Amino acid sequence: GEDVEQSLFLSVREGDSSVINCTYTDSSSTYLYWYKQEPGAGLQLLTYIFSNMDMKQDQRLTVLLNKKDKHLSLRIADTQTGDSAIYFCAEITEYGNKLVFGAGTILRVKS
Amino acid sequence: DAMVIQNPRYQVTQFGKPVTLSCSQTLNHNVMYWYQQKSSQAPKLLFHYYDKDFNNEADTPDNFQSRRPNTSFCFLDIRSPGLGDAAMYLCATSRDSGVGSYGYTFGSGTRLTVV
Repeated sequence: GEDVEQSLFLSVREGDSSVINCTYTDSSSTYLYWYKQEPGAGLQLLTYIFSNMDMKQDQRLTVLLNKKDKHLSLRIADTQTGDSAIYFCAEITEYGNKLVFGAGTILRVKS
Repeated sequence: DAMVIQNPRYQVTQFGKPVTLSCSQTLNHNVMYWYQQKSSQAPKLLFHYYDKDFNNEADTPDNFQSRRPNTSFCFLDIRSPGLGDAAMYLCATSRDSGVGSYGYTFGSGTRLTVV
C-alpha cells in the first residue's frame, strides 16, 4: 500500500537552511510533491519532482530524491520567517489516481 | 483571481444537523476532490468526481455524500455530523486523473466545528 511519513517538527533560525525529510513506500511513485500550508489556509503546491530525476532546484528550494531508499527531501535556503508553515510531502503512483499525503512537518523559523 | 473557492471559510453546525459545504472552480478541471484534514494529520481523501463519475473511497463513512451538478461546482453533504467530524475540509481540482507536474489546486478550506 501507499504510505508517506515525515518528521513532525523542525525549528531553524532565520537565514539558516531548512531540510525537511520524507519517506514513502510505493516504488511505483511517478511524481512526488511538496505542498505548503499556512495557518488557516489550503495547500499550495511548492514544487514537484518526477521519479526519473535525482534533484531539482527552484530558486531557494532544492528537492533531492533517493529512489533506492524511497527518501525525498526539501531544502529551503536562507529560510525566512514567512517560510513558517506546515510542509506536506505527497506522492502519486503510476497506477493510482490520487495524491497520498504525509502528516506534515511544522517548520518554525525563529528571528 | 481565486481559482478554487470554498464557502464558507468557517462553519459551525449542531450535532446531528445536516450541513453542506461548497466548492467552485474557474479552472474547468475535470476532476474535483474532497479531503478531510484533522489536526496534525495528513489530508485524507473522502471521494472524487471525474466529470460526472463519482468515486468513493472504501473507508469513507456513509454519513458523507457529495454532489456535482456541473463542472464548476461540487458539494460535500454531511447528513448527521458527529463531534468526530470536526475538521478542515479541503476541496481540490486537477486537469485529469494523471496529475503529472501540475499536482492538485486546492481551495482555502472550510473549517467545520460541531457543537
